[in-house]
Amino acid sequence: GNSVTQMEGPVTLSEEAFLTINCTYTATGYPSLFWYVQYPGEGLQLLLKATKADDKGSNKGFEATYRKETTSFHLEKGSVQVSDSAVYFCALSSDSGNTPLVFGKGTRLSVIA
Amino acid sequence: ETGVTQSPTHLIKTRGQQVTLRCSSQSGHNTVSWYQQALGQGPQFIFQYYREEENGRGNFPPRFSGLQFPNYSSELNVNALELDDSALYLCASSPVPGQGLGANVLTFGAGSRLTVL
Repeated sequence: GNSVTQMEGPVTLSEEAFLTINCTYTATGYPSLFWYVQYPGEGLQLLLKATKADDKGSNKGFEATYRKETTSFHLEKGSVQVSDSAVYFCALSSDSGNTPLVFGKGTRLSVIA
Repeated sequence: ETGVTQSPTHLIKTRGQQVTLRCSSQSGHNTVSWYQQALGQGPQFIFQYYREEENGRGNFPPRFSGLQFPNYSSELNVNALELDDSALYLCASSPVPGQGLGANVLTFGAGSRLTVL
């Protein structure tokens, strides 16, 4: 079945450091890929998405590129801020939108000043 | 526009009891999905409701059931609670089925945290 594997946390970085959170997936066909973020006490928010190979999703300085050859969708940010502290979830949907989201276990990021 | 609201935010039950969780969908959204997020895990799909009927279900036993009302709000009911049911239950709404599942129009609530003792 479909699955998502992301690097385990927690990840602790200093402000302005470079962030990478690895995500790989297993799916049939051509899934859509997503990164969601969960701030303390809040619901999940869509951070970015990509729907086909080589697409790059970007938002709020975060980026991720859909790599079909490596089945990966790593999240990156060049300079993190304290306000980026949250739990990040990689997720997939196995087609254009007719199946539920399958999530990874999440990676907690803490950014210290 | 209002977002997705869930109630209660926290509750404690004992094994064998029953629980009802409530969700009001975002204005303009007619589809509701429920997810279970156990501690340290990612959310897992329970089921989805559209036009007051179940429209997709994950790998959860029948003691997990739901309802959707004419105003598109929804309830999640869990009978015969077990310790492993302790989790954050997330509700998400979307405009139409298919476009919501897996697309970027899922709007999540903050969740209801259930503890089963």
